Amino acid sequence: DIQMTQSPSSLSASVGDRVTITCRASQHISSYLHWYQQRPGQAPHLLIYAASNLQSGVPSRFSGTGSGTHFTLTIRSLQPADFATYYCQQTYSIPYTFGPGTTVDFK
Amino acid sequence: QVQLLQSGAEVKKPGASVRVSCKISGYIVSDLSIHWVRQPPGKGLEWMGDFDPETGAGIYAQTFQDRVAITADTSISTVFLELRSLRGEDTAVYFCATPRADGSLDLWGQGTTVTISS
Repeated sequence: DIQMTQSPSSLSASVGDRVTITCRASQHISSYLHWYQQRPGQAPHLLIYAASNLQSGVPSRFSGTGSGTHFTLTIRSLQPADFATYYCQQTYSIPYTFGPGTTVDFK
Repeated sequence: QVQLLQSGAEVKKPGASVRVSCKISGYIVSDLSIHWVRQPPGKGLEWMGDFDPETGAGIYAQTFQDRVAITADTSISTVFLELRSLRGEDTAVYFCATPRADGSLDLWGQGTTVTISS
């Protein structure tokens, strides 16, 4: 199985901050890497697909980069709605594993 | 517009089985792949498997291989997740979701809470 790691596991930030989350795969996954946001009590929500493509309806302050084994999610100017947990997922090979998540909370 | 509506919460005893349903509206279920993802309380997301409409069969993570089944009843536009030999660690919220062509999950059901308790 492909193992996914994320760093940091949590971070504290303020509205307006620039936030970067890193996701690494244990082996090459090309660009089959996707990012989700999950707020408490809700289902996950797709933000970025195929490493760098913004899902329809997602604000442009979210962006993703990377390929191979190293990927990043950046939130350009953190908004109140962005305080949530973020997961990466690879769909290069089954099982389609998720990272452990990064929680962004108020500083 | 495709929508996914999951069945209600379940409480089961250890060793029992549970079946969670995901009803699809706005699309032909025989053309739609449905994935299942679970989330134990306070923990992360775990991909369990998916229903492949081309073969009519489920594809499963090895972790669940011997006690999970994903099936579909096209007559009622519903996909089912059955998990057998339940144990405490199976207590979780179970989500169904539909994938884009690259496998990313762009539409999710509301989640079904399954609690295993003696």
